[in-house]
Amino acid sequence: DAMVIQNPRYQVTQFGKPVTLSCSQTLNHNVMYWYQQKSSQAPKLLFHYYDKDFNNEADTPDNFQSRRPNTSFCFLDIRSPGLGDAAMYLCATSFGGGEVEETQYFGPGTRLLVL
Amino acid sequence: LAKTTQPISMDSYEGQEVNITCSHNNIATNDYITWYQQFPSQGPRFIIQGYKTKVTNEVASLFIPADRKSSTLSLPRVSLSDTAVYYCLVENDYKLSFGAGTTVTVRA
Repeated sequence: DAMVIQNPRYQVTQFGKPVTLSCSQTLNHNVMYWYQQKSSQAPKLLFHYYDKDFNNEADTPDNFQSRRPNTSFCFLDIRSPGLGDAAMYLCATSFGGGEVEETQYFGPGTRLLVL
Repeated sequence: LAKTTQPISMDSYEGQEVNITCSHNNIATNDYITWYQQFPSQGPRFIIQGYKTKVTNEVASLFIPADRKSSTLSLPRVSLSDTAVYYCLVENDYKLSFGAGTTVTVRA
């Protein structure tokens, strides 16, 4: 019954070594989001795709990139991870039918550790 | 300026009703009030959403006064498994801006 799937659940990378986190959805939703959540903090939106249109938040570092090759999949690329990028990365989706009160469906998250 | 203000933490006991009040003095006409729940090491989960008056579902109730400057999430008869962080969001965009949230701890 998984709707938003994130792999892997835990990812260890080295300082400066590129890493990719993946997200897939079975909901056929138009919108996919990536959030960063550091320990004991609230989730923070990094960017989102509305269909193929990419929307970056103003304060998202250039080190973070995203790809959405098709409706079902979305990737988060961290080009040169720093120690400060260690966090839980959450993927979410919403239908995107134009209703502002739409529910977002979150995946379980990928916890990234940078050594 | 924070969009919402909620208590940092609340303690309760099993079987009690928990009420979390969120202040949103600058709420705009088009804003909806939405609550999400997050367990440790999991993504947030939608609980309830409302625009005005009262909304109830199988999990919770949401009370919104006429001026809409605050709202109260009510969790009836909580159990240990309701221990989580509860986020109040005020949005008129499909993007979510999470505030600090309220950590609710339910004790036996």
